[in-house]
This record gives sequence, C-alpha cells and structure tokens, in this order.
Amino acid sequence: QQQVKQSPQSLIVQKGGISIINCAYENTAFDYFPWYQQFPGKGPALLIAIRPDVSEKKEGRFTISFNKSAKQFSLHIMDSQPGDSATYFCAASDGGATNKLIFGTGTLLAVQP
Amino acid sequence: DSGVTQTPKHLITATGQRVTLRCSPRSGDLSVYWYQQSLDQGLQFLIQYYNGEERAKGNILERFSAQQFPDLHSELNLSSLELGDSALYFCASSELAGAGTDTQYFGPGTRLTVL
Repeated sequence: QQQVKQSPQSLIVQKGGISIINCAYENTAFDYFPWYQQFPGKGPALLIAIRPDVSEKKEGRFTISFNKSAKQFSLHIMDSQPGDSATYFCAASDGGATNKLIFGTGTLLAVQP
Repeated sequence: DSGVTQTPKHLITATGQRVTLRCSPRSGDLSVYWYQQSLDQGLQFLIQYYNGEERAKGNILERFSAQQFPDLHSELNLSSLELGDSALYFCASSELAGAGTDTQYFGPGTRLTVL
C-alpha cells in the first residue's frame, strides 16, 4: 500500500512534442505529490508538486494533472526539448510527523532533436 | 547546486568493511534524509533526522546506522558491507520535520562500490 507505480519505464519523444508520465498510488493518506528530475551523475531536483485539493498545477511547460478518485497523477511536459532528457520520478508523502518520500520507479525520457 | 554537500563522491571498498558517508544540509535546514538508489530497488527512503533526533525509519538494514550532529551535519554508517550494498546514497535536507509539502533538496550523492 506504500507503493507508487510509475509508467512508462522509458519514453522517446520528438522535439516539440508532449511527454506524458503516469503514476498511481493506493495509500489514501498520501497528501503531497512531487515530481523530481534527475540528470546523470546528479541528485534528484524538485520539478513541480501538487496537493490533492487541486486537480491541476502548471509551471511553465510542466503540468501535473491529479485525479483523486482514481488515485492517479501525471506529468505533462509540453514542447519537449532535448534539454528535458533526464529521468523523472514521481513521489508521494503522507505528511504527518515526517516528510519521507515514497518514489516511483522512474521514467527515462529521451527527447530527440 | 542544491546547497547540500556529500562526501566522498565515490567510495570503493571490500565486502565485510565499514564506511561512513557524510552529509552537510543546506543552511537553515533542520531535517536530513538518507535515500539509497539502486537499479533493482530504485530510490528508497532509509532514515530521517530532525534537529539531532531520529524522526522516521524506512527500509534501513540493521547493519546501517546514522546520526545527526549538533552542527546538523549527518553521517550514514554502513558496516559488514555486502556486494548488494553497492548503490548511490543520497542525502536530502529540508527546513521542517514533517509539514508534508516541505521541499527536500538532494545532494549529489555518494557512489558506493563494494567489491
């Protein structure tokens, strides 16, 4: 019940296209859903995050869509660029006394020029 | 640059040995988290400290231990190392203990190779 399932495992998108990564969770106590971006040799970096009281959050070319009833959330990258090529992780936290993050398995995104 | 520093960057050691990984959090952050990243297990939460006290424990083996010092830096001790302990170990820090939305900033990681 603590798992966060992420798909696809890898994704190839043409420059200018839309990249879509999906995540699903079971634990209804999760109340914070961040997405992290990781480049090779670097630590994960927060990209965008959402709370379940909103259905969508947009920051520049990055949008999170959240479906509370389906317990699913997704990351959309509009106008994908080669510089977006990285591994993306969704995560979830149940807040409370700790911020520990439960991560999805990651999606390796390659944006072809 | 996240402001979180980790040393060493790389560590190569033999089975059965003990190593210590070090983390300095961002200035002002009181919480430190340790995560393990491996190909088969992904990113797994190990343990969290807040202002010197253990706050939460995840999938941390009994052979592993951590502490946070008065200056807020943290150390992760790994002992009786096995081949399967080879992984990237990340430290993250955040300002608070458990506000749920508190951003965690990750360091560059320590790559541990056990031969």
